[in-house]
Parts: sequence; structure tokens; C-alpha cells
Amino acid sequence: GAVVSQHPSWVICKSGTSVKIECRSLDFQATTMFWYRQFPKQSLMLMATSNEGSKATYEQGVEKDKFLINHASLTLSTLTVTSAHPEDSSFYICSGAELPKQFFGPGTRLTVL
Amino acid sequence: DQQVKQNSPSLSVQEGRISILNCDYTNSMFDYFLWYKKYPAEGPTFLISISSIKDKNEDGRFTVFLNKSAKHLSLHIVPSQPGDSAVYFCAASRLQGAQKLVFGQGTRLTINP
Repeated sequence: GAVVSQHPSWVICKSGTSVKIECRSLDFQATTMFWYRQFPKQSLMLMATSNEGSKATYEQGVEKDKFLINHASLTLSTLTVTSAHPEDSSFYICSGAELPKQFFGPGTRLTVL
Repeated sequence: DQQVKQNSPSLSVQEGRISILNCDYTNSMFDYFLWYKKYPAEGPTFLISISSIKDKNEDGRFTVFLNKSAKHLSLHIVPSQPGDSAVYFCAASRLQGAQKLVFGQGTRLTINP
């Protein structure tokens, strides 16, 4: 299947700082990428749909000003968690779409102190 | 509103036997279904998918069955191997539109030697 990478794989930051997570499709072009978060022992929850060259579409309850998404090219989408707080600590996973399938990155563990 | 449900949080199977993981959905608009395998702190890995025009799809040791009238799908793994131990998620989407994935809660499969 198609390969998606994420960077960094884990990050620890202080409360109030911003963190950027990169998602790259390595061997295919992803017009659409999706961002998920997963809390321990729970399922993946879709945060937003990222379309190349246009604004992201956020799911209900996800603050667009807090979770900034940029999809500047067909192989790169970024998620910036702004003014991070401890409750933002989670496992963030992106996927690249070769519709109708999605291929997931390895995830980024964010810990906010 | 849980549109995709995996009612068994865990399943234990003897090595070499068949593993059957079940998934139910409520939204009749779903017409594409996927199974993913996930290890802790990693992104999900795509296993197999099926569209609603079929009732069975097979790929090596993995077979997915779809019963549209019952809104039920299952993943069969035969023979089960120790490396199959992981959390399995089913996901559903609509081929038209945004094609967002809706995930079940996951089933932890343990293969015993």
C-alpha cells in the first residue's frame, strides 16, 4: 500500500507553546488528507479533512483556530496545535487518501506539560 | 451516535484457528468498508476493503464478508498467526462526497500459541 510519514513521531512541549506536525505522502499524491486524534483505549476520531489548495473542513467540536491545518502541496499537510494545553496531549494521526482507501502515517505522540 | 460498532472489545484465538471479527453499522448510506490493523503507538495499517456491490472479498489469509441487509460485516483470518495479535478497526465510508471514514471502537485480537 501507499506510504505516509509523519514528523515528529513524538514531541513534548510546555503549555502555551505551539507545535507543528507534518504529514507526507511519500509515493503518491494525496489531494485529500485527514487528521485524526486517538485517546488511550479509544477509537480514532476525525478532526478535519485537508484538501490541497483550499481550506480544511473541521468536524463539529474541533476548534479551527486552535488546530491550524495547511495543505500546501499534494504530498504535504501540516497540523499546528496552537497554544497547546495539557488536555491537547494525545496521539495525532494523519492519513493520505487514495480514494476510496486511506493510508495512515505512524502517528505523533504529543505531550503538553 | 455510534454509527459503526464493534461490540467485542477483545477476542482470544488459538494459533492456527480461525479468527472472526465482527462489525455492525447503522447508516445505510455507507457503501464502502475497510479493515485496519493497529499496534500501540503506530498508525493503522490497511488490511482489506469491500464495496457494497460485493458480499465477499478475499486477500490471502484475510476475507471480509458483507451482509447489507443485516448491516454487518466480518473479517476472517485463517489460519491465525501470533503476528496477527493487534487491535483491529473496521471503518465505513460513502464513495460519494467527502469519503470520510467512520471507525468502530476496535477489537483487540490475541493469538495464543
